Amino acid sequence: DGGITQSPKYLFRKEGQNVTLSCEQNLNHDAMYWYRQDPGQGLRLIYYSQIVNDFQKGDIAEGYSVSREKKESFPLTVTSAQKNPTAFYLCASSRSLTLYEQYFGPGTRLTVT
Amino acid sequence: AQTVTQSQPEMSVQEAETVTLSCTYDTSESDYYLFWYKQPPSRQMILVIRQEAYKQQNATENRFSVNFQKAAKSFSLKISDSQLGDAAMYFCAYRRTSGGSEKLVFGKGTKLTVNP
Repeated sequence: DGGITQSPKYLFRKEGQNVTLSCEQNLNHDAMYWYRQDPGQGLRLIYYSQIVNDFQKGDIAEGYSVSREKKESFPLTVTSAQKNPTAFYLCASSRSLTLYEQYFGPGTRLTVT
Repeated sequence: AQTVTQSQPEMSVQEAETVTLSCTYDTSESDYYLFWYKQPPSRQMILVIRQEAYKQQNATENRFSVNFQKAAKSFSLKISDSQLGDAAMYFCAYRRTSGGSEKLVFGKGTKLTVNP
């Protein structure tokens, strides 16, 4: 089955620790995205990548980092510099950056205490 | 900057009835995409329907249809014959087709409850 996987579904970390969220897709999509969702809010774009070894900041990139070493993988690291890291994180992909709809993974709920 | 507004934080509908969710957006672009996404309790975002701005015909997907009014910048979602499985948060989203089109701009969502 083609799709997007995110792991783990729930993640708990202590304040001051970096944590990496996994996102893998087997849809052969070129573009991948990371969004953050807070209660009562829509999604906000953190980072996106058009192709391998290329990525760009979205609206709320501060305190986050990404890599795109493989077409199918786009991990997100939440660093200790992120002021309010507790949120629901969604990864998405699309066939290309400029065309086509985005498809989403199941998400990861990160709780930092 | 583009904005998307969903003015109904919550809506409810009886099973088998029809409900319409509202969405308005603000843009100076002439070409763009509009989407409705569904987020059930599992929290996975599921694409419901897509509309290209250059198309005058309203998109339809089975029980889901849209009323796209480009001049009014309105994009409502109609759900016919509502089912219990339709209960979810529904998000309206906008995306440019030109430069800077990497981003989906989302509204804050409408929580739909389906009563048996």
